[in-house]
Amino acid sequence: DIQMTQSPSTLSASVGDRVTITCRASQSISSWLAWYQQKPGKAPKLLIYKASSLESGVPSRFSGSGSGTEFTLTISSLQPDDFATYYCQQYNTDRTFGQGTKVEIK
Amino acid sequence: EVQLVESGGGLVKPGGSLRLSCAVSGLTFSNAWMTWVRQAPGKGLEWVGRIKSKPDGGTTDYAAPVKGRFTISRDDSKNTLYLQMNSLKTEDTAVYYCTRGGDYSNYWGLGTLVTVSS
Repeated sequence: DIQMTQSPSTLSASVGDRVTITCRASQSISSWLAWYQQKPGKAPKLLIYKASSLESGVPSRFSGSGSGTEFTLTISSLQPDDFATYYCQQYNTDRTFGQGTKVEIK
Repeated sequence: EVQLVESGGGLVKPGGSLRLSCAVSGLTFSNAWMTWVRQAPGKGLEWVGRIKSKPDGGTTDYAAPVKGRFTISRDDSKNTLYLQMNSLKTEDTAVYYCTRGGDYSNYWGLGTLVTVSS
């Protein structure tokens, strides 16, 4: 099984900050990685697929990078609507989610 | 507008069964690969399984914790996805989401809560 590990688990930041979340895979997954945003009581929302492709309608302040085993999600300038939990998901072999990173207000 | 609406959740005793449904509209369901994802209370997301479209073989894949107990099926004439859950365990307690996609999920329902408790 491929394990996905996100860091940090919690991140405190302010509006306007540049935020980076890391996701590491236990073995190479090429670029088969997606990122989701979830707010409390809501369904997750797809942000990024294939490591760096922005889903339609997602603001351009979100970007993804990486390949192989190490990936990052970057929010270039954190907005009030971005305080949420973020998950990575690999789809190279089976499908596995990371444990999540909560972005909270500093 | 794409809509996925889950139903069928509720309280069930350990060892019991439940069938979830997901009514899909706004997309060509017969061509869609569909996935179930669950989330235990206060926990992260867990992939449950997927079903391919019939033109692509209609086959299913399952996560290890549910394999042999859960069955995903589809009725393309009704634009509906199903999740049959048997031999339920307390650790199956979660919100179950119906999603479109076989790799990543770009449309999600609001979820239905399944509680397994005596």
